[in-house]
Amino acid sequence: DQQVKQNSPSLSVQEGRISILNCDYTNSMFDYFLWYKKYPAEGPTFLISISSIKDKNEDGRFTVFLNKSAKHLSLHIVPSQPGDSAVYFCAARDLNTGNQFYFGTGTSLTVIP
Amino acid sequence: DAGVIQSPRHEVTEMGQEVTLRCKPISGHNSLFWYRQTMMRGLELLIYFNNNVPIDDSGMPEDRFSAKMPNASFSTLKIQPSEPRDSAVYFCASSPTAGWHEQYFGPGTRLTVT
Repeated sequence: DQQVKQNSPSLSVQEGRISILNCDYTNSMFDYFLWYKKYPAEGPTFLISISSIKDKNEDGRFTVFLNKSAKHLSLHIVPSQPGDSAVYFCAARDLNTGNQFYFGTGTSLTVIP
Repeated sequence: DAGVIQSPRHEVTEMGQEVTLRCKPISGHNSLFWYRQTMMRGLELLIYFNNNVPIDDSGMPEDRFSAKMPNASFSTLKIQPSEPRDSAVYFCASSPTAGWHEQYFGPGTRLTVT
């Protein structure tokens, strides 16, 4: 049973525009969330994180928003660049299960020049 | 720093054969994780080690899967016997702490079982 869901398998955005990647979760005990970025033939790399005590975290062009009541997480990329084209995974940690992270199935972002 | 090293990068084997995947974590990292990536389920944690000791192997799908970490610089994931449904990309990741705040992933091993 997927506790972390990324319902959009793919997304295409024009260069310079905003990319919004969404993630929903079911476990209210999740206390820490991360986004990873993955290029083809490479492993995922850490992008940005947010604790459940916050509702926003910003790092340059990347901002993660957390809506705990809706159990919803989103990643905003502004402005989008062609180099942002990759698969993005969200992940959530359940402190009650030994710090295990649960990953979504990923969203493939294509930024069109 | 070479990052997390995995070998082989690609493995094609026949059903019933034994498969061994290898991982060298980043030097100094004391946590190591094995994940499996499939289209249907995304990234699934199989097992993780802290200071070479297996902490949680509840993600290992069945007894055909086993993992070892004989020392701080090497880990193996073995599948015996392999089945076509084991076909996936297997990632190894390491972390400098047990806090899980940031994991560094290897490039993965793409396993195909025919």
